[in-house]
Amino acid sequence: QQQVKQSPQSLIVQKGGISIINCAYENTAFDYFPWYQQFPGKGPALLIAIRPDVSEKKEGRFTISFNKSAKQFSLHIMDSQPGDSATYFCAAMRAGNNRKLIWGLGTSLAVNP
Amino acid sequence: GAGVSQSPRYKVAKRGQDVALRCDPISGHVSLFWYQQALGQGPEFLTYFQNEAQLDKSGLPSDRFFAERPEGSVSTLKIQRTQQEDSAVYLCASADWPGELFFGEGSRLTVL
Repeated sequence: QQQVKQSPQSLIVQKGGISIINCAYENTAFDYFPWYQQFPGKGPALLIAIRPDVSEKKEGRFTISFNKSAKQFSLHIMDSQPGDSATYFCAAMRAGNNRKLIWGLGTSLAVNP
Repeated sequence: GAGVSQSPRYKVAKRGQDVALRCDPISGHVSLFWYQQALGQGPEFLTYFQNEAQLDKSGLPSDRFFAERPEGSVSTLKIQRTQQEDSAVYLCASADWPGELFFGEGSRLTVL
């Protein structure tokens, strides 16, 4: 059973557009929700993360929106650029669980020039 | 400064062979993690070390998988009698406590 469900599986956006990726989780004990960016042949790199005490966090062109009651969170990439083309993973972690990240299946984003 | 270094980057093994994958974490990072990433999937947790202590090995898929970090720095993931289903990218990550996880580029294992 997938504890963190991510959608869509793939996404194509025009340069300058907004990319939106959604995740839903099951376990209400999760208290840390990061997004990772992974380029082919590279390891995942932390993009932005949020804790459930806030509903939104923005860093540059990247924003996480968090809906605790719906158990959902999303990544918005504003003014998407071809260099943003990568696979994006949402994840969740429960405090005291040895920092074990539970990952979504990933979204392959392609930004067309 | 150097990031997390993994070797070999690519390994091809015949079914039944033993393999060893090495991870050099960022200097001073007390936490070290191993993840397995199958093609087109998200990473799956394998095991976690804090210094030399293996605090969680609940993700190791079978007793053919063994990880160690004897001096609290370099870690080795060993897979005995490899099977085709072991083919994946094995990712190592390190972290200072309680900071961000930094991932290496992974070791891609192909079992023929």
